[in-house]
Amino acid sequence: DGGITQSPKYLFRKEGQNVTLSCEQNLNHDAMYWYRQDPGQGLRLIYYSQIVNDFQKGDIAEGYSVSREKKESFPLTVTSAQKNPTAFYLCASSGWPTSDTQYFGPGTRLTVL
Amino acid sequence: DAKTTQPPSMDCAEGRAANLPCNHSTISGNEYVYWYRQIHSQGPQYIIHGLKNNETNEMASLIITEDRKSSTLILPHATLRDTAVYYCIVRSRIYNQGGKLIFGQGTELSVKP
Repeated sequence: DGGITQSPKYLFRKEGQNVTLSCEQNLNHDAMYWYRQDPGQGLRLIYYSQIVNDFQKGDIAEGYSVSREKKESFPLTVTSAQKNPTAFYLCASSGWPTSDTQYFGPGTRLTVL
Repeated sequence: DAKTTQPPSMDCAEGRAANLPCNHSTISGNEYVYWYRQIHSQGPQYIIHGLKNNETNEMASLIITEDRKSSTLILPHATLRDTAVYYCIVRSRIYNQGGKLIFGQGTELSVKP
């Protein structure tokens, strides 16, 4: 089955702890993206990567970090510097530049207590 | 990327056509219109996209006005499973960096029995 997986679906952390969200794809896509969604709002771009070992900041990168060591994987770390980390986090990939249709994972709901 | 305006919510009777409007009056010549939808607590799903001509696929039809300042997404026979938030996104495939998408608030479509 081809697609994007994110784990876990629900994640709870204490304030002040860093946490890493997993995103894996087997679609052979070069481009991957991380979005954040708050209740009743649209998605906002955190980071994106067009190719392995390269990534760029999106609109709300502060307090987050990413790595892209493998084509299939694009993990997101929510650091203690992120002031309001509780949100729904969505990962996506696309065949950019050949195709720009984005395929999304099921999301991870992070709650910081 | 051009800004879009969508009604915040719409209702539709099951089995009837759902017509979702989107205004993008500042769209430029190289910008495409994309539609995604997001069922509650899931990742967004690509529906359709177009530049100038009307488009149809197995999910929906996209009607773009001749001046390209607005468009309508048509779900020909809405079912309860079509209840979701529908996002209209306008962006350039030439200038956009890495295929990123900018999501607005979308239209919350409720399909009722």
